[in-house]
Amino acid sequence: GAVVSQHPSWVICKSGTSVKIECRSLDFQATTMFWYRQFPKQSLMLMATSNEGSKATYEQGVEKDKFLINHASLTLSTLTVTSAHPEDSSFYICSASGGLAGNNEQFFGPGTRLTVL
Amino acid sequence: GESVGLHLPTLSVQEGDNSIINCAYSNSASDYFIWYKQESGKGPQFIIDIRSNMDKRQGQRVTVLLNKTVKHLSLQIAATQPGDSAVYFCAEKKQAGTALIFGKGTTLSVSS
Repeated sequence: GAVVSQHPSWVICKSGTSVKIECRSLDFQATTMFWYRQFPKQSLMLMATSNEGSKATYEQGVEKDKFLINHASLTLSTLTVTSAHPEDSSFYICSASGGLAGNNEQFFGPGTRLTVL
Repeated sequence: GESVGLHLPTLSVQEGDNSIINCAYSNSASDYFIWYKQESGKGPQFIIDIRSNMDKRQGQRVTVLLNKTVKHLSLQIAATQPGDSAVYFCAEKKQAGTALIFGKGTTLSVSS
């Protein structure tokens, strides 16, 4: 099946710094990538939808200037958490769809655990 | 707003029992549904999917039932094993190219 990777798998940073998370589709071209956030014991909440070469579409309540999404190629999307604060600590999960993988299926990455001190 | 939710936050069963996890969805326009399993610290793992033109689909040890009349989705796991212990989410998609929207999740605990 299609494989999606994320890097790093976990990161700890100081409050006020920026953190970049990468999401890669390893064996297919992802025309669309999605970013989710999951707080402890809660469900996955969609943050934004990103189409290759276009600006991301953010869900209501998600600050686009704080969560910068870049989808410059068909295999890579990045999420940058700018000026991170402790309340941004969460599990960030990306997923990808498109190409031979089709537009209905979404393949999920393993997630990135962000801890902001 | 429209959302997908689960009836019970936790389900405890004995090894070998059959498990049934339920989900109610509110958007009648959704045409694709998926069940995911998530283990602690990991991303969601695909279990089984079903399209709105079907009412039942079977996989290995798992069956998904879709009742569009009452907007209800269920996941049946046969002969539940300790390795099935995880959080299970149902998710819906309104159309191809849009994002999956997740329900709240049910924690399945299987004891030996």
